[in-house]
Amino acid sequence: SQQGEEDPQALSIQEGENATMNCSYKTSINNLQWYRQNSGRGLVHLILIRSNEREKHSGRLRVTLDTSKKSSSLLITASRAADTASYFCATGIYGNNRLAFGKGNQVVVIP
Amino acid sequence: EAQVTQNPRYLITVTGKKLTVTCSQNMNHEYMSWYRQDPGLGLRQIYYSMNVEVTDKGDVPEGYKVSRKEKRNFPLILESPSPNQTSLYFCASSVQGAITEAFFGQGTRLTVV
Repeated sequence: SQQGEEDPQALSIQEGENATMNCSYKTSINNLQWYRQNSGRGLVHLILIRSNEREKHSGRLRVTLDTSKKSSSLLITASRAADTASYFCATGIYGNNRLAFGKGNQVVVIP
Repeated sequence: EAQVTQNPRYLITVTGKKLTVTCSQNMNHEYMSWYRQDPGLGLRQIYYSMNVEVTDKGDVPEGYKVSRKEKRNFPLILESPSPNQTSLYFCASSVQGAITEAFFGQGTRLTVV
């Protein structure tokens, strides 16, 4: 069953602005991961945050995790046209060997 | 280069004609899985494999088979494809299941007419 649920579903921003996406989940997790997908191509792993971490950075990406609210956010700072893609959150759950993906969040960065 | 390779990338077939989509990884990963992606439904897992000769059902296994005879290969078999299996399929691999990052293939767009 789907675990992650991204919000908002679609986002359109100007180049240089920040983009924020949220993801909620329902059960206790081991980790939460964010992936990017460009136009029907394979997903590319962006960042993994473990359940005992609150914040993680990777380049222009910042991910937060609030296990009490069962939610995560992905912030892309100073967005570029090349950031136009769909972004998925996925949760790894204790005792379950499967990643559960959300439905995705489409981001369009206008040059 | 570390990669997951799927073939074919595009396939159009007719209802009932058996087909196999191949998946191979060169990273010595123990865990491999298959997903299908449909508009509005996100990615749903079909089958996964924790290691050679170990496979298990995901969320939507009906109509699919898999095998894991070697560590690097994890083919997806559709014995009798139907139009509702028209979808974009992805193979993925990882070191340790859902607790490490997954590497995805480029996808196979399957159309069943």
